[in-house]
Amino acid sequence: AQKVTQAQTEISVVEKEDVTLDCVYETRDTTYYLFWYKQPPSGELVFLIRRNSFDEQNEISGRYSWNFQKSTSSFNFTITASQVVDSAVYFCALTMNQAGTALIFGKGTTLSVSS
Amino acid sequence: SAVISQKPSRDICQRGTSLTIQCQVDSQVTMMFWYRQQPGQSLTLIATANQGSEATYESGFVIDKFPISRPNLTFSTLTVSNMSPEDSSIYLCSVASGGGNTIYFGEGSWLTVV
Repeated sequence: AQKVTQAQTEISVVEKEDVTLDCVYETRDTTYYLFWYKQPPSGELVFLIRRNSFDEQNEISGRYSWNFQKSTSSFNFTITASQVVDSAVYFCALTMNQAGTALIFGKGTTLSVSS
Repeated sequence: SAVISQKPSRDICQRGTSLTIQCQVDSQVTMMFWYRQQPGQSLTLIATANQGSEATYESGFVIDKFPISRPNLTFSTLTVSNMSPEDSSIYLCSVASGGGNTIYFGEGSWLTVV
């Protein structure tokens, strides 16, 4: 069975702090895709990143970075120098190789950044 | 990428009524997905809609309660029937693009049942 675990329910930081959101996944498939989405209070889901199981390179996009480690089945997300606008719920999700396979979501981590 | 539009964005509905949510995509897609997000919860898949065939429902969701139409490759509707306060949720439409490897969401439809 596939599963995504986001153990951190809520995180509160002060602006300019770095913060890491954890994501641990379970799957028996050798090919899969991992995602991170941001859901601001307005409710829409904003796509942040997709990573396939064969690419373990870490990725950096501005203040965002992702650390994918197959050995620990983790796909953690770090925000550097957090800002108030980063306040949102962040979801990690998993899907299998087949085109059109639906996402399996973690329960989400609520990040609150105060000024 | 795919641009997905959902209507309505928000609505307040009376108990016992039904509401149809529309999802329009700017490109042809094979699969469309409908998710529900209850207040403070994660997203749960309701059903997968493939053009030209009956939707496939996940455990806990039935066609009588959530009938889905998929008349063409760019459009789908989800109806929430005989609504109760427990149906108050965000309903999101989603499509797989780029060979199924990137998944996009609409803005969501916030339903409040009173």
